[in-house]
Amino acid sequence: EVQLVESGGGLVQPGGSLRLSCVASGFTFSNHWMHWVRQGPGKGLVWVSGISNDGRGTTYADSVKGRFTISRDNAKNTLYLQMNSLSADDTAVYFCARDHAKTPDYWGQGTLVTVSS
Amino acid sequence: QSALTQPRSVSGSPGQSVTISCTGTSSDVGGYNYVSWFQQHPGKAPKLMIYDVNKWPSGVPDRFSGSKSGNTASLTISGLQAEDEADYHCCSYAGAYTWVFGGGTKLTVL
Repeated sequence: EVQLVESGGGLVQPGGSLRLSCVASGFTFSNHWMHWVRQGPGKGLVWVSGISNDGRGTTYADSVKGRFTISRDNAKNTLYLQMNSLSADDTAVYFCARDHAKTPDYWGQGTLVTVSS
Repeated sequence: QSALTQPRSVSGSPGQSVTISCTGTSSDVGGYNYVSWFQQHPGKAPKLMIYDVNKWPSGVPDRFSGSKSGNTASLTISGLQAEDEADYHCCSYAGAYTWVFGGGTKLTVL
């Protein structure tokens, strides 16, 4: 059974940093691109960032480019998102999602990031 | 990276059919046959209901169907059931390993 479990969310002050993690199981992690998608309170889903199966290729939404860094450790079956210079606009539930043939087919339960003073 | 356009809400009675539209551009919906639809209940993770415009993942009933014409994709739910009440999100591949989502549509079963 495919499982994705996010962690690392919490309350952080504006300008602060946070690192999210997503532990994968039930599939060969190193065979798949992986992505982060976020959902602000009462809002729709927004794609944030993606990383290639070997970690060499990365993509970012314009809204986070230069502030967020996606990475992965295939030996640990873990995906990361380092978030810096956070603002209130970054407040959201952050989901990790598996990419299967250009479709986000499995999602984690999400981790809540709240940016507030 | 503009969001796809979905109606904010739709509604229908049990047994009826509803259709949710998702409008993008030639750079996303119109340019690729990689449109997917997700059902999301409050506080839960999105669940894949349709992929590649009109394909069903295992376990999804065929009451859910997808289509696309030009830059607009659609999700039709027939034989509405109470448990179908949820938010529905469309998603399209937008090239270079990026995705774009719609703003979400709240389905109310009357």
